[in-house]
Amino acid sequence: SAVISQKPSRDICQRGTSLTIQCQVDSQVTMMFWYRQQPGQSLTLIATANQGSEATYESGFVIDKFPISRPNLTFSTLTVSNMSPEDSSIYLCSVGDSTDTQYFGPGTRLTVL
Amino acid sequence: QKEVEQNSGPLSVPEGAIASLNCTYSDRVSQSFFWYRQYSGKSPELIMSIYSNGDKEDGRFTAQLNKASQYVSLLIRDSQPSDSATYLCAVERGSARQLTFGSGTQLTVLP
Repeated sequence: SAVISQKPSRDICQRGTSLTIQCQVDSQVTMMFWYRQQPGQSLTLIATANQGSEATYESGFVIDKFPISRPNLTFSTLTVSNMSPEDSSIYLCSVGDSTDTQYFGPGTRLTVL
Repeated sequence: QKEVEQNSGPLSVPEGAIASLNCTYSDRVSQSFFWYRQYSGKSPELIMSIYSNGDKEDGRFTAQLNKASQYVSLLIRDSQPSDSATYLCAVERGSARQLTFGSGTQLTVLP
């Protein structure tokens, strides 16, 4: 499976600021996804990061709050904008292979004060 | 009804016993099903995938799928303390291959 890295691994941010999370894969992949895992909860899909076009957002998530870039087949960013304490979560990127299996990066633990 | 439901935990089993984890899903057209294990503070790691009705075995793990009953399960034989983790059931939906996750079942294997 692909090796996935995320930066930063964790951050503490102030309310009202924005944070950009990077996801890097060591091989070209078609499918990339961004998830949120709130404290004590399961994973919720934020969006599918599409290479060369706008991301596809799930219900309850909007581009203004979570802008996503996917400039090529190995890299994507997720920005959490105008943060509030409710945005404190683990943010995970995943990549999909040809069998629909998804593999997850190590995650970014975000705390908003 | 939630799209993917898992049996409520936490679940505790003694070392060496069989742990049984269950999951039901609502979308009849789903074709791909996955079990992930997540240790505290870590990201989910894939244990098993299953696509066809019946059983699929991989070492101590057996996944079972029954599409007519919309049910998928994971059995862990000879449970070890190192199996203590949260187990997440995931169901693929849509042509874009998104996954919907269940709420997870926390398993503790007691030495």
